[in-house]
Amino acid sequence: DIQMTQSPSSLSASVGDTVTITCRASQSIRGYLNWYQQKQGKAPKLLIYSASKLQGGVPSRFSGSGSGTDYTLSISSLHPEDLGTYYCQQAWSGPVTFGPGTRVDI
Amino acid sequence: QVQLQESGPGLVKPSETLSLTCTVSGGSMTNYYWSWIRQPPGKGLEWIGYIYYNGNTNSNPSLKSRVTISVDTSKNQLSLILTSVTAADTAVYYCARHPSAAEVFDSWGQGTLVTVSS
Repeated sequence: DIQMTQSPSSLSASVGDTVTITCRASQSIRGYLNWYQQKQGKAPKLLIYSASKLQGGVPSRFSGSGSGTDYTLSISSLHPEDLGTYYCQQAWSGPVTFGPGTRVDI
Repeated sequence: QVQLQESGPGLVKPSETLSLTCTVSGGSMTNYYWSWIRQPPGKGLEWIGYIYYNGNTNSNPSLKSRVTISVDTSKNQLSLILTSVTAADTAVYYCARHPSAAEVFDSWGQGTLVTVSS
């Protein structure tokens, strides 16, 4: 299975800050990388797919980049409603696997 | 807009069988893949398996021997059966939709908590 890691595991930021979360795969996943936001007690919500494509209805302050094994999710101008846990997920090979999550506190 | 709703018993005894249903409304199941994903309390996400609307399935090898996923497009439902459960199977179980076999989960149910305990 492809192992996914994320850093940091948690972070605290202020409204208006730019936040960057990193996701690394144990082997190349060729851009098949998706990002989700999960708020407490809720289902995950798709933010970014195929590494850099913004899901419909998601604010443009969210952006993704990366290739090969290394990917980033950036949130520019952090809003209070952006608190939650962010997960990366690979869909390239073998069983789908998720990163362990990054908790974002405002 | 498609909506997914999981249902089933919230408590299952160890060694018994977990059975859940996901009802899809506001859209067709045709031409989509449908996955089950679970999340133990306070932990991360684990993909269980998927079924295509035509009945083709694929499961996580770690659970494959205990998992059965089925679909009834006439009822707009998919089902999950997990046998021989243990406390490690305690989790919130989600159903989710993806437009292709490359799993991009674009719609999720709200999830249902299943506790395995005697």
